[in-house]
Formats: sequence, C-alpha cells, structure tokens
Amino acid sequence: DAGVIQSPRHEVTEMGQEVTLRCKPISGHNSLFWYRQTMMRGLELLIYFNNNVPIDDSGMPEDRFSAKMPNASFSTLKIQPSEPRDSAVYFCASTLGGNQYFGPGTRLLVL
Amino acid sequence: TQLLEQSPQFLSIQEGENLTVYCNSSSVFSSLQWYRQEPGEGPVLLVTVVTGGEVKKLKRLTFQFGDARKDSSLHITAAQPGDTGLYLCAGASSGTYKYIFGTGTRLKVLA
Repeated sequence: DAGVIQSPRHEVTEMGQEVTLRCKPISGHNSLFWYRQTMMRGLELLIYFNNNVPIDDSGMPEDRFSAKMPNASFSTLKIQPSEPRDSAVYFCASTLGGNQYFGPGTRLLVL
Repeated sequence: TQLLEQSPQFLSIQEGENLTVYCNSSSVFSSLQWYRQEPGEGPVLLVTVVTGGEVKKLKRLTFQFGDARKDSSLHITAAQPGDTGLYLCAGASSGTYKYIFGTGTRLKVLA
C-alpha cells in the first residue's frame, strides 16, 4: 500500500494567492482528517470527514479555508486568499477504526 | 476546551539512559494514542490505549494509561539514537475519532 499521498510536498506562494492542497487517503479508509502543524501551536485538527461527509469543521481558522471530499479517494484543502500566517505544514491523515495514518505533509510558505 | 500538556518539552539524553514522558489533561478520554514524528515526515502511530490503568509494551517502550483516563506516560528503556524524534500524545472523547494532540516532547538521544 502506498500510504496517504499528499501533493504538493512544498508550496511557496505570495500573499493573496489561492493555494490548493491535495490528499489521497489509503484505500478502504472511511475517515479523513486535515491538520496544520506549527511550532507555536503544535498539531491542530482543521476538519474531518467520515464517508466523504464533513463531520467537524470547528478547527477551520476562518472563511478563507475550505475543504472538500468529492469521493472516497480524494480530498482538497483550499486557502483563498492566502496570508503569511497560514505558513505551516499541512497534514492529511486517513483512518479505519481509529488508527490514523498520516501523509508526509505539505510545507506551505506564504510570502 | 480539552488540552493535553506534555512534559518535558525538550529532552536530551545519552544513549543507554532511561526516560519517561508525560501527557496530562483535566479531561477524560475514551482512548489515547502515542505517535513519533521524525523531521520532514508525518506522525507515526505507536500505540492506542483505551482502558484505565492499561499498560502496553512495544519493545523498549512502555505505555500506561492513567486509572482515571486523564493522563498517560511513555517510558523508554535504554534509549537509542533511533528513538530521537517528536513524541505526541493524542486523546479522543467517547463516540468520536476526533483526536486532540498534545504539545509534544522533543527527544534527542546522543550516541
């Protein structure tokens, strides 16, 4: 199994630009999570889906952030417009029965 | 708001020494997980504990869930340089797979 796949691995963009992060969960897993990790705030849950349906988005910082899961094998996290304070590593994780498997992350730098 | 405080925040020890990392909260969790994260990678699940007082062993690592399910500890015997990394605990409340992550303990084992 290839594990959770995230793309891109690195993204550098300018303030105001739209950023789209992508995630392919492990086949057969029914829950998907988006996290953000920074030195100051640690690992924070942004949103999670169960069977492609958003269950809890209380961690999404503001309306500039949106996430979709159109099918069981793909999810996106979009930031529009991006701001320097959005710079962080964004992780996607999928789970079946509670054991989370994390992707390698996308390191985002907003200038 | 559920918070998971880990201590110590940083730990640097010599190879062969023993150490204990703590994860504390005022909230009760139905399950608690421990992860290890290496630079540039996502967290990797080490163990899940679900019963108060439960002890699990993974080679040189011993995990314990507090009797009241509010705290946990990770003990490493005869630490090796390969144990170096960021150790994270994460707790979930009953009926949810939404895990809240702790503040992390950054461990460095010197050869």
